[in-house]
Amino acid sequence: NAGVTQTPKFQVLKTGQSMTLQCAQDMNHEYMSWYRQDPGMGLRLIHYSVGAGITDQGEVPNGYNVSRSTTEDFPLRLLSAAPSQTSVYFCASSYSRQPYYEQYFGPGTRLTVT
Amino acid sequence: SQKIEQNSEALNIQEGKTATLTCNYTNYSPAYLQWYRQDPGRGPVFLLLIRENEKEKRKERLKVTFDTTLKQSLFHITASQPADSATYLCAPRSTGFQKLVFGTGTRLLVSP
Repeated sequence: NAGVTQTPKFQVLKTGQSMTLQCAQDMNHEYMSWYRQDPGMGLRLIHYSVGAGITDQGEVPNGYNVSRSTTEDFPLRLLSAAPSQTSVYFCASSYSRQPYYEQYFGPGTRLTVT
Repeated sequence: SQKIEQNSEALNIQEGKTATLTCNYTNYSPAYLQWYRQDPGRGPVFLLLIRENEKEKRKERLKVTFDTTLKQSLFHITASQPADSATYLCAPRSTGFQKLVFGTGTRLLVSP
């Protein structure tokens, strides 16, 4: 199994540009989520999904869109990039919505918005 | 609102000593609490889970305690090694489905 994969690893955007961060998992996990991590702020939840066709907002959803058309994929879209969205983005998944299942994280995407 | 607190300052200890990290939570009634390790430039990796009815859980050199009265979990690494240097994150979780929220993490530095 490849686990959780994210692309790209690095990205530089200009203010106002849009882009999609890709996340895929091959473990047939129901639950998938996106976090951003900034120095001193820890991991902050952006959006999450409990299954194909179902998504919900996390702590910091503004400026981001998600969709879940398949179990495997959970892309994160930046609609109009802003310097405040400069961060490291992590995608995570787990076997089930049950709270005792561990989360598997991807390697992250480092995004810089100039 | 729910709040998870971990020491923001790095914990510096010498090799061979026991490291103790703290996770405090408020406005929560978690049934489970998870601990993760994160190395620089990488995603977090799951280490241990403890249930509310388990006072203590061990895995090799790791030990986690869970005190629902104090609303606190302690994470211990015994006989610490430089390879244990990393950031450690806690994540309390309630029963039923809820979005997973993490503490800010504590950086551990183990010097030879």
